[in-house]
Amino acid sequence: GEDVEQSLFLSVREGDSSVINCTYTDSSSTYLYWYKQEPGAGLQLLTYIFSNMDMKQDQRLTVLLNKKDKHLSLRIADTQTGDSAIYFCAESKSGGGADGLTFGKGTHLIIQP
Amino acid sequence: SAVISQKPSRDICQRGTSLTIQCQVDSQVTMMFWYRQQPGQSLTLIATANQGSEATYESGFVIDKFPISRPNLTFSTLTVSNMSPEDSSIYLCSGGTGATEAFFGQGTRLTVV
Repeated sequence: GEDVEQSLFLSVREGDSSVINCTYTDSSSTYLYWYKQEPGAGLQLLTYIFSNMDMKQDQRLTVLLNKKDKHLSLRIADTQTGDSAIYFCAESKSGGGADGLTFGKGTHLIIQP
Repeated sequence: SAVISQKPSRDICQRGTSLTIQCQVDSQVTMMFWYRQQPGQSLTLIATANQGSEATYESGFVIDKFPISRPNLTFSTLTVSNMSPEDSSIYLCSGGTGATEAFFGQGTRLTVV
């Protein structure tokens, strides 16, 4: 099966919160990441969390990690039209700059006016 | 952080030919990575490039098809050899100044006709 799984689409109204979910299978995953890809662009690193943390907040972004269930989520508060993109969850054992990343298929975030 | 530039940004190539993609980082990085993103799919790691040694390839990727060079700590190339339409993808390089964070170039969009 897939190492990292995400639902393919999420539709939210502008101004609401978006919650993008991800599950992973490898219990030795130490670093968990969220990347954003806008149409025609490369990947932008949004945030990451270590496996010994359960929450990380950065402005409008909140990452929650349930290590027991191997579940990661990204909450975007006050979703704006500029948040429309594909969001990729990724994991790594030693760090994305050390041994590369395993990505999910990405979640298309669609913003309704 | 690291800023990663790729050239070319896009190309249309004839089947049977080869294309070399260049990746330049604005600071020294130990590891550089090459990924492929097939249409509508996630990113898959092709290989890890370490200066002074041969690249390490992931399962399903071979050096004859995807030769990689890494002449110094700021530069790498990936060649897609003897191309077929199935090689049409976005190719992205990645690197990080430390082990944790991995930054990406904007990608090279390759179409093989």
